[in-house]
Parts: sequence; C-alpha cells; structure tokens
Amino acid sequence: DAGVIQSPRHEVTEMGQEVTLRCKPISGHNSLFWYRQTMMRGLELLIYFNNNVPIDDSGMPEDRFSAKMPNASFSTLKIQPSEPRDSAVYFCASSQGGGFASYEQYFGPGTRLTVT
Amino acid sequence: AQSVTQLGSHVSVSEGALVLLRCNYSSSVPPYLFWYVQYPNQGLQLLLKYTSAATLVKGINGFEAEFKKSETSFHLTKPSAHMSDAAEYFCAVRGNNNAGNMLTFGGGTRLMVKP
Repeated sequence: DAGVIQSPRHEVTEMGQEVTLRCKPISGHNSLFWYRQTMMRGLELLIYFNNNVPIDDSGMPEDRFSAKMPNASFSTLKIQPSEPRDSAVYFCASSQGGGFASYEQYFGPGTRLTVT
Repeated sequence: AQSVTQLGSHVSVSEGALVLLRCNYSSSVPPYLFWYVQYPNQGLQLLLKYTSAATLVKGINGFEAEFKKSETSFHLTKPSAHMSDAAEYFCAVRGNNNAGNMLTFGGGTRLMVKP
C-alpha cells in the first residue's frame, strides 16, 4: 500500500492567494482527518470526515478554511485568502473504524505551507 | 472527555541509557492508547497500540509500553537508547465520539540522545 498521499509537499505563496492542499487516504479507510502542526500550538485537529461526510469541523480556524471530500479517495483543504499566520505543516490522516478496527490513524508526509 | 498529559516536553538521555517517556490519560470509555513517533520533516508513525488485550505492548524499534489502569498511565520505554531514536513522541487516546475514531493527542515529548 502506498500509504496516505499528500500534495504538494511544499507550498510557498503570497498573502491573499488561494491555497489548496490535497490528500488521498489509504484505500478502504472510511475516516479522514486534517491536522495542522506549528511550534506554538502543536498538533491541532481541523476537521474530520466519516464515510465522506464532515463530522466535526470545530477545529477549523475561521471561514477562510474549507474542506471537502467528494469521494472516498480524495479530499481537499482550501485556504482563501491565505495569511502569514496560516504557515504550518498540514497533515492528512486516515483510519478504518467500526467492527474490529483498532482506530489507529495513518499519517501522510504533510504539506509545509509558507505564506509570505 | 478524553485527555492526554505527557510529562516533560523535552527528555535527554545518553546513548545506551534507558528511555522513559511518560503518558497519563483520562477517558470516559475503555481506552485505546497509542504512541506515535515523528522524525524531523516527516509525518507521525505508529509505534505501538493498546486495544484492551495484553497490558504490556511491544512496538517497533525495541519500544514497549505498559497499560496501568490503576495509574491511568501508558508510559513508553526502551532499554537502551540509540542515536536514531532522537525524535518527537506523541501519546494519544481514542475519543468517545459516535464513530469512536477520533484521537486526542498529548503535547509531545522531544527525545534527545547524547553520544
């Protein structure tokens, strides 16, 4: 299995621009999570989907952030407009819940976002 | 509600010494517990997990953790540290949401290994 795939791995953009981060979860997993990691705030859960439906988006910082999961194999996290304080590493993770699952999450390599 | 406390944001050991990283949790449901490791510029990687079977759990790279219900602890240990163990370690507990698949992470402990 290729694991969780994220693109791009690095993104540098100017303040005010739109940024789209992409994630492909592990095939067969029914839950997908978006996290943000910074030195100041550590690892924060932004939003998670179960069976492609957003379940909890209470961690999304503000309306500038939006996430979609149009199908079981793809999700996007969009920031519009971006601001310097959005600079962070964004991780996508997936897991298989229900039944005899043990609920561990598998993380992608992350996207390092720099907003200048 | 679930929570995880990792005592010590930084731990320094000498190569060959015992590694002990502390994790205490609270959970309103029978806990599933996890340790993850993050190497520089990489994502989090699962080290080991406790899912209500054996209380002593062995993971990758020689790490193990013991679930102690009476102490609500799940400390991570390794008998002999190696330079390659230098990384950040996160303890996590399963949430009690309906799907049961959210994880609550601790703040992380950065392990430094001195030659």
